[in-house]
Amino acid sequence: AQRVTQPEKLLSVFKGAPVELKCNYSYSGSPELFWYVQYSRQRLQLLLRHISRESIKGFTADLNKGETSFHLKKPFAQEEDSAMYYCALVGTSYGKLTFGQGTILTVHP
Amino acid sequence: GAVVSQHPSWVICKSGTSVKIECRSLDFQATTMFWYRQFPKQSLMLMATSNEGSKATYEQGVEKDKFLINHASLTLSTLTVTSAHPEDSSFYICSASGSSGRQVSSYNEQFFGPGTRLTVL
Repeated sequence: AQRVTQPEKLLSVFKGAPVELKCNYSYSGSPELFWYVQYSRQRLQLLLRHISRESIKGFTADLNKGETSFHLKKPFAQEEDSAMYYCALVGTSYGKLTFGQGTILTVHP
Repeated sequence: GAVVSQHPSWVICKSGTSVKIECRSLDFQATTMFWYRQFPKQSLMLMATSNEGSKATYEQGVEKDKFLINHASLTLSTLTVTSAHPEDSSFYICSASGSSGRQVSSYNEQFFGPGTRLTVL
């Protein structure tokens, strides 16, 4: 069975501070990991995926297979980063995404 | 590109009636569509996966006779909530994946619709 855990439901930081959203996963094979973001009153959209190894909007995430983690990081948070963030996993089952519980990030001015 | 629409964006209905929600891929052919349910400030729960021209595959615990899914074309999938009850009130989100040209691995990126808010009185 595949599972994604985001231990923090809420995360608050001040503008300019570093931010890390935690994600741990459970999967027996080699999964693909993603971060999705949902801004207020907007649809869910892909932020980044581990296989691309890219940085989007200053966010990065490294897949740590030893710790089964895929934490999302940004060195200097901005107010416009305030949103709901979901970590997600795809195993081998027809591209089905398994989502974590989500973390609401609030960046204060 | 890769836009997915849903209609209606919100619907209120009486208990016992049926409600149909449409999911359309506007600029690409969606070989696979997914239907999710989302509770307030909670995660998305996958309900079913549908491939064009074949029967939907439902997740464990999802009643297929209650949540009817049809994926008759490469641009349209519908979810019909039959004999709706107040406990069916939720936010329903669809996503679509297919030949959008953004495949970088064996995973075809899912593009999400804006969701439909269903309220059953």
